[in-house]
Amino acid sequence: DIQMTQSPSTLSASVGDRVTITCRASQSISSWLAWYQQKPGKVPKLLIFKASSLESGVPSRFSGSGSGTEFSLTISSLQPDDFATYYCQQYNSDSRTFGQGTKVEIK
Amino acid sequence: EVQLVESGGGLIQPGGSLRLSCAASGFTVSSDYMSWVRQAPGKGLEWVSVIYGGGSTYYADFVKGRFTISRDNSKNTLYLQMNSLRAEDTAVYYCARGWAFGYWGQGTLVTVSS
Repeated sequence: DIQMTQSPSTLSASVGDRVTITCRASQSISSWLAWYQQKPGKVPKLLIFKASSLESGVPSRFSGSGSGTEFSLTISSLQPDDFATYYCQQYNSDSRTFGQGTKVEIK
Repeated sequence: EVQLVESGGGLIQPGGSLRLSCAASGFTVSSDYMSWVRQAPGKGLEWVSVIYGGGSTYYADFVKGRFTISRDNSKNTLYLQMNSLRAEDTAVYYCARGWAFGYWGQGTLVTVSS
């Protein structure tokens, strides 16, 4: 199975900061990667699909990049609503896999 | 409007069985990829299973042989039959639509405990 490793596990940042989360796949997944945001007690929300495509309605401060095994999610200017946990997920294979999550905390 | 509504969760003893349902509206379950994803209390997301439009099914290793995903096209409903339940299966179970999961239900809590 394909393993997904996110870093860091926790990130402390301030409003207005540029934030980058990375996700590494154990083998090539082309661009079949999604990013989700989850707030406590809430359902996960799709932000990015196919590595860099912004889901409808998601603010443009979110962007995704990468292909193969290395991917990143960037928030260009962190807003109060962005403090949450972020997950990457591969869907290259019949067996999908999530990363372990990155919690973005207020510094 | 796309809606997914899970049901069937509850408290079950280890070794027991439970069937979760996910009633869909606004689209046809047989026309898309439908998955189950779970989240143990305080933990991350875990993909559990997927059923393709053509009917092919796939499972995470930790549920293979114990869980079965299926759908009833006439009811437009997705199911997850869970057998031989273990304490570590305790989680909120979500159904989700799509190759990437653009739509999620609200989840149903399964607690496996004696």
